[in-house]
Amino acid sequence: AQSVTQLGSHVSVSEGALVLLRCNYSSSVPPYLFWYVQYPNQGLQLLLKYTSAATLVKGINGFEAEFKKSETSFHLTKPSAHMRDAAEYFCAVSDPGGNTPLVFGKGTRLSVIA
Amino acid sequence: GAVVSQHPSRVICKSGTSVKIECRSLDFQATTMFWYRQFPKQSLMLMATSNEGSKATYEQGVEKDKFLINHASLTLSTLTVTSAHPEDSSFYICSAIMRDPLSSDLTQYFGPGTRLTVL
Repeated sequence: AQSVTQLGSHVSVSEGALVLLRCNYSSSVPPYLFWYVQYPNQGLQLLLKYTSAATLVKGINGFEAEFKKSETSFHLTKPSAHMRDAAEYFCAVSDPGGNTPLVFGKGTRLSVIA
Repeated sequence: GAVVSQHPSRVICKSGTSVKIECRSLDFQATTMFWYRQFPKQSLMLMATSNEGSKATYEQGVEKDKFLINHASLTLSTLTVTSAHPEDSSFYICSAIMRDPLSSDLTQYFGPGTRLTVL
């Protein structure tokens, strides 16, 4: 069975500071990994995904994540936080191939302080 | 990018009534769609897998007679919450899998969600 652990249910950073949201996964097969963002009362927007190609994945809005097999991690980073980045972020894992449902972490709420 | 819509976006109903939620893939065909449920301040949990032309596959603990899923076409899946109760109040999100015509890469796109409130 697959699982995702997001360390820290709430992360607060100052505007302009580095954003680091942590995600560790467990999977018995080489996984696909995803980061999604959810704004209040809205659906999910895909930030980026890892599908066994390059280990450093660049996404939208300046976010990127690095797949580290040895650490079973897929942490999300952004060099400089903006106020508009304040939202809920979900890390998710699936079997390779893209046609299986996602298993989500519990989410991390990012607050950005002016 | 690909778009998945859900209708309605919000619904309030009385306890004991049934509510139908539609999930549509607007510009692609999807043989597989998923239904998730998200309780307040919690993560998404898979409810069922909806396959076009066949019965849905439900996750353990999800009552198939209560949450009826119909995937009648390649662009539409519906979730009907029958005899709804206040504990069914939740945010229901669907997703649809699209195959890129050039690369054959599969990507899952999510709908905007439907907030159900049962009084």
